[in-house]
Amino acid sequence: GAVVSQHPSRVICKSGTSVKIECRSLDFQATTMFWYRQFPKQSLMLMATSNEGSKATYEQGVEKDKFLINHASLTLSTLTVTSAHPEDSSFYICSAPDLGTQYFGPGTRLLVL
Amino acid sequence: GQQVMQIPQYQHVQEGEDFTTYCNSSTTLSNIQWYKQRPGGHPVFLIQLVKSGEVKKQKRLTFQFGEAKKNSSLHITATQTTDVGTYFCVLYPNAGNNRKLIWGLGTSLAVNP
Repeated sequence: GAVVSQHPSRVICKSGTSVKIECRSLDFQATTMFWYRQFPKQSLMLMATSNEGSKATYEQGVEKDKFLINHASLTLSTLTVTSAHPEDSSFYICSAPDLGTQYFGPGTRLLVL
Repeated sequence: GQQVMQIPQYQHVQEGEDFTTYCNSSTTLSNIQWYKQRPGGHPVFLIQLVKSGEVKKQKRLTFQFGEAKKNSSLHITATQTTDVGTYFCVLYPNAGNNRKLIWGLGTSLAVNP
């Protein structure tokens, strides 16, 4: 099946700093990618839909100025958590569809101290 | 909007016992997908069900779509420790390749060896 990579897999940062997470589709092109957040023992919560060449679509309650999304190419979407705070600590996962199936990246564990 | 309810939330079984998780919707579903997420991992696609009354099998896993297309189940026969993880049913509501998924809350399965 298709492969989606994510980088970094783990990041620890100080409160107030910004963190960039990359999501790449390795063997297919994705005009759309999805960004999720998952807190411990909870389901995945869709944050936003990343659209290649246009603005991302954010879900209700997700601050677009805090979670900056850039989908500059057909294989890369980035999520930047700006001015991170401890409550932003979570597991961030991206996904990209290929032929009707969603493929997920391995996720990024963010810990904000 | 459409919502998917999944039960039970947690299930603890002895290795060799069977396990079933159920997914229910108040509205008719176009189709439903099942994903498995291992502890610390990312969701992995298992199967998609489209037709009313559809039954699909993958080794010890049996997936069923209700006749009314409002519910679905995943049954694991003779669980093994490798079955540990959280099983999500996911609604794939719209046509086209770039679709947002609606996630159930998941059933976490623990298997005692």
